Amino acid sequence: RKEVEQDPGPFNVPEGATVAFNCTYSNSASQSFFWYRQDCRKEPKLLMSVYSSGNEDGRFTAQLNRASQYISLLIRDSKLSDSATYLCVVNKGYSGGGADGLTFGKGTHLIIQP
Amino acid sequence: DAGVIQSPRHEVTEMGQEVTLRCKPISGHDYLFWYRQTMMRGLELLIYFNNNVPIDDSGMPEDRFSAKMPNASFSTLKIQPSEPRDSAVYFCASSLRSEAEAFFGQGTRLTVV
Repeated sequence: RKEVEQDPGPFNVPEGATVAFNCTYSNSASQSFFWYRQDCRKEPKLLMSVYSSGNEDGRFTAQLNRASQYISLLIRDSKLSDSATYLCVVNKGYSGGGADGLTFGKGTHLIIQP
Repeated sequence: DAGVIQSPRHEVTEMGQEVTLRCKPISGHDYLFWYRQTMMRGLELLIYFNNNVPIDDSGMPEDRFSAKMPNASFSTLKIQPSEPRDSAVYFCASSLRSEAEAFFGQGTRLTVV
């Protein structure tokens, strides 16, 4: 199983629709979870952190399911400007004494269509 | 703060040449990461430093790659000799903790011909 796995898409979604992405991770020792956004030919930028209780930021909602080891991102009332690649990010954790650091999924490509 | 600063933004070099990528992390961040991004493999962690000390270099592809952090405000990633398969975007990122949010530089787009 890959460390962080995402559906690469692309997801073609009409403007105003709701879209959801899931991401699974393999390391049960992971403690930190994030969604990053990456625009074409740009650097990744933090979209939101993902907390155990779930969190919401405007049109964006992130949830964590530790039992099933997956993270979700929901975008409501999608805008054209939401078109980007969304990267699921998980820290490695100190499992087995190994080093930490963030592991990035390959991303889900979202295209919002007018 | 200006954020993470990388140079050069673009680099085109011939196979066999030495390439040096540079990074200035955000002041006060104890962790510095080097990533490589390609279409095929996505974002891969190459190496990271804590307080200027390399902690995990298991992602460094081979001996042709080396990274240094001589002080808290500067790091280099060197490829010698470079090969066409090294062509990618190389990102430097810094953070307060290893598991915290990482802030990325704008990247160096490397093309080896």
